Amino acid sequence: EVHLVESGGGLVQPGGSLRLSCAASGFTFSSYWMTWVRQAPGKGLEWVANIKQDGSEKYYVDSVKGRFTISRDNAKNSLYLQMNSLRAEDTAVYYCARDPHYSDTTGYFYYFDYWGQGTLVPVSS
Amino acid sequence: SYELTQPPSVSVSPGQTATITCSGDKLGDRYVCWYQQKPGQSPVLVIYQDKKRPSGIPERFSGSNSGNTATLTISGTQAMDEADYYCQAWDSSVVFGGGTKLTVL
Repeated sequence: EVHLVESGGGLVQPGGSLRLSCAASGFTFSSYWMTWVRQAPGKGLEWVANIKQDGSEKYYVDSVKGRFTISRDNAKNSLYLQMNSLRAEDTAVYYCARDPHYSDTTGYFYYFDYWGQGTLVPVSS
Repeated sequence: SYELTQPPSVSVSPGQTATITCSGDKLGDRYVCWYQQKPGQSPVLVIYQDKKRPSGIPERFSGSNSGNTATLTISGTQAMDEADYYCQAWDSSVVFGGGTKLTVL
């Protein structure tokens, strides 16, 4: 059974840093892209970043570029999100998700088939 | 940037059919998926590639996508289907709709 467990959330002051972790089990972690999605309190879902199987490609939403870094350790079956220069608008529950996306001649097949339980990151003084 | 538009809320009586729409420019040219999120829980994928159901998702959930609109249909809606539903597509980046709160009353 696929399991994703996030950790590392907690209250942080504006301008501060935090590192989120996501422990994966129940599947071959190194075979999948992985993604971070966040959800501000009472709001909708927002994709944050994803990373290729070997870490060679990483993509970010514009609002976090230069501040957040996604990484992974396939030997530890773990995904990370290093968040620096945090702002109040980064306050959200952060979910890691398995990202089996692929493309063919007909288009991009983008979806996230398993999600963790999420970890809350409040950014406040 | 690409936008997906969903109605904020939809109401349905138990046993009836619920229809939730997701609109975007030439959305039918892209693949759409749908997530269900119950209060305090993580999202769950209910439809991917427009109309495919992951294992474990009841047959009453179905999807379609044509023109500028994708549709999630829940046939014989049950009380347990009350949740927020989000559509998602890709346009040089992952895009989510704003979400629709489905009320079963």
